[in-house]
Amino acid sequence: QQPVQSPQAVILREGEDAVINCSSSKALYSVHWYRQKHGEAPVFLMILLKGGEQKGHEKISASFNEKKQQSSLYLTASQLSYSGTYFCGTEWDSGGGADGLTFGKGTHLIIQP
Amino acid sequence: EAGVAQSPRYKIIEKRQSVAFWCNPISGHATLYWYQQILGQGPKLLIQFQNNGVVDDSQLPKDRFSAERLKGVDSTLKIQPAKLEDSAVYLCASSITSGGSTYEQYFGPGTRLTVT
Repeated sequence: QQPVQSPQAVILREGEDAVINCSSSKALYSVHWYRQKHGEAPVFLMILLKGGEQKGHEKISASFNEKKQQSSLYLTASQLSYSGTYFCGTEWDSGGGADGLTFGKGTHLIIQP
Repeated sequence: EAGVAQSPRYKIIEKRQSVAFWCNPISGHATLYWYQQILGQGPKLLIQFQNNGVVDDSQLPKDRFSAERLKGVDSTLKIQPAKLEDSAVYLCASSITSGGSTYEQYFGPGTRLTVT
């Protein structure tokens, strides 16, 4: 089953914050976050493993709530360069990692000056 | 470090024709993935290799799609015969593999296929 991302799209002014959610109906081993700009390959942002950890990457951070099987990506003080489509990719908790990812449909983020 | 290389970048074919895509992963990456990304959707895994063995091809339409990874390095994905619904971007990704742990996947620029 494909993870569900929300919202589908969001428009922000530069400097505003955003939260993108990724939910699964199946137990997850890991959640991977990627950003893709139009016509380009997805670019890796971060991985979160089951265990409910939180990670940070400059002004972009993420959390993984194992109870809810949900991950959230936080973008603070957004910059124009943050525009793009954000995808979460999930690995099921079937005994280990190193599996192919099941991606959500993506969240389109537009940052306006 | 060189990234994942793919060719061609664009391909236009007529339905029922055949087409092949090539991928060269990052040096030292044992795991290679092929994804299909239809416009407006997230990538969908087609096949996963570890070295030259297939780990997962459950979503590969085997009646028309085939893939191989000879010598555990380069890989080719073939479609024969192509259908209109195969129009998509075909992404190749690679990652290191160690003890079953999960690592980031690095994506190539993709091949945009248009079937007319």
